[in-house]
Amino acid sequence: AQSVTQLDSQVPVFEEAPVELRCNYSSSVSVYLFWYVQYPNQGLQLLLKYLSGSTLVKGINGFEAEFNKSQTSFHLRKPSVHISDTAEYFCAVSLNSGYSTLTFGKGTMLLVSP
Amino acid sequence: GAVVSQHPSWVICKSGTSVKIECRSLDFQATTMFWYRQFPKQSLMLMATSNEGSKATYEQGVEKDKFLINHASLTLSTLTVTSAHPEDSSFYICSARDRAAYGYTFGSGTRLTVV
Repeated sequence: AQSVTQLDSQVPVFEEAPVELRCNYSSSVSVYLFWYVQYPNQGLQLLLKYLSGSTLVKGINGFEAEFNKSQTSFHLRKPSVHISDTAEYFCAVSLNSGYSTLTFGKGTMLLVSP
Repeated sequence: GAVVSQHPSWVICKSGTSVKIECRSLDFQATTMFWYRQFPKQSLMLMATSNEGSKATYEQGVEKDKFLINHASLTLSTLTVTSAHPEDSSFYICSARDRAAYGYTFGSGTRLTVV
């Protein structure tokens, strides 16, 4: 079975600073990787996903992530954050075959202050 | 892009009554839909997976008689919380698998409060 670890439950950062949200996964087979953002009392919105190909994935709102197979990581980065980026971020994995479900990490709360 | 509509966005019900939550895929056919439950400041917990035209598969510890799931068409899945109690109060989120785009699209969630 696969698992996802988000090491930081909360990441405080100042506006316009860069940020990295860490995600590590564990799986014995190939996986697809996702990052979602959740604003209060809302569902999840897809930021980006890695299925195959280039290991650097660009997503919406200026976010990007890099798949590192040797380190089993898929860290999310943004060079300059805005107040509006304050939200909960979830990393998730699924097996790359069949009717696979998503396995989520526990989430990282990004707190952007002025 | 793929859109999933979830209704209602919030509901308050009396203890002992039943509540139905709808999840619709608006512009794609969702052969598989997922139902999650989320407690405050926690991650999503998968409750069940439903495939169109067949019985839902429930995760361990989820009461199938309390959380009834119906996936009668390629665009609609419903979750009915039967005989609701205060401990069922939570945020419920549905998700549909878009096979064409290989992605999972989420509904906006339903805040259920049982009083």
